[in-house]
Amino acid sequence: SQELEQSPQSLIVQEGKNLTINCTSSKTLYGLYWYKQKYGEGLIFLMMLQKGGEEKSHEKITAKLDEKKQQSSLHITASQPSHAGIYLCAGGTSYGKLTFGQGTILTVHP
Amino acid sequence: GAVVSQHPSWVICKSGTSVKIECRSLDFQATTMFWYRQFPKQSLMLMATSNEGSKATYEQGVEKDKFLINHASLTLSTLTVTSAHPEDSSFYICSAEPSSGGDTQYFGPGTRLTVL
Repeated sequence: SQELEQSPQSLIVQEGKNLTINCTSSKTLYGLYWYKQKYGEGLIFLMMLQKGGEEKSHEKITAKLDEKKQQSSLHITASQPSHAGIYLCAGGTSYGKLTFGQGTILTVHP
Repeated sequence: GAVVSQHPSWVICKSGTSVKIECRSLDFQATTMFWYRQFPKQSLMLMATSNEGSKATYEQGVEKDKFLINHASLTLSTLTVTSAHPEDSSFYICSAEPSSGGDTQYFGPGTRLTVL
């Protein structure tokens, strides 16, 4: 079965600092998804990457997928308290199933 | 667009009772919906894939007679936890994949179940 590992497990940064979260898969991914979750709430879709070497950006968040489609990174530039939450990567199959990483808890201090 | 709702948002029930959780896609049709379970400080675990008009597909280790899934329309899937026990207490989240295409799943806000 496909497994995804995220690092770091938790991250505390000062407002304004840049940060990166990594996601590594044991198998080649059909698609890689990034979601954000506030504790006790649902998931907010951030980005989906499908092509090797793909990079997408939305506001201050950039996600990349490596050429082999086994590793992804999520980079936040000039972090703000609103970025705080749990970031989850998920690997998708061609038939829709998602396998989630264990999540990265991000705390941003003002 | 792409809003998914769940009802109820939280429920407390006695051990032995059954609880039904609804998952609705509000502004799109979804042939396929997914049910996940999340324990505190843990990630989401897929329980089952719900297909409109056919039987759900359960992941290994998930009891289909305990977690009944009904996907009766293109906008509604229900999960019924039968004869609930305290160990069933968890955060249940559904997601829906638009029938119009694309590979993105949109998630509901979750339902917190507490079994006393």
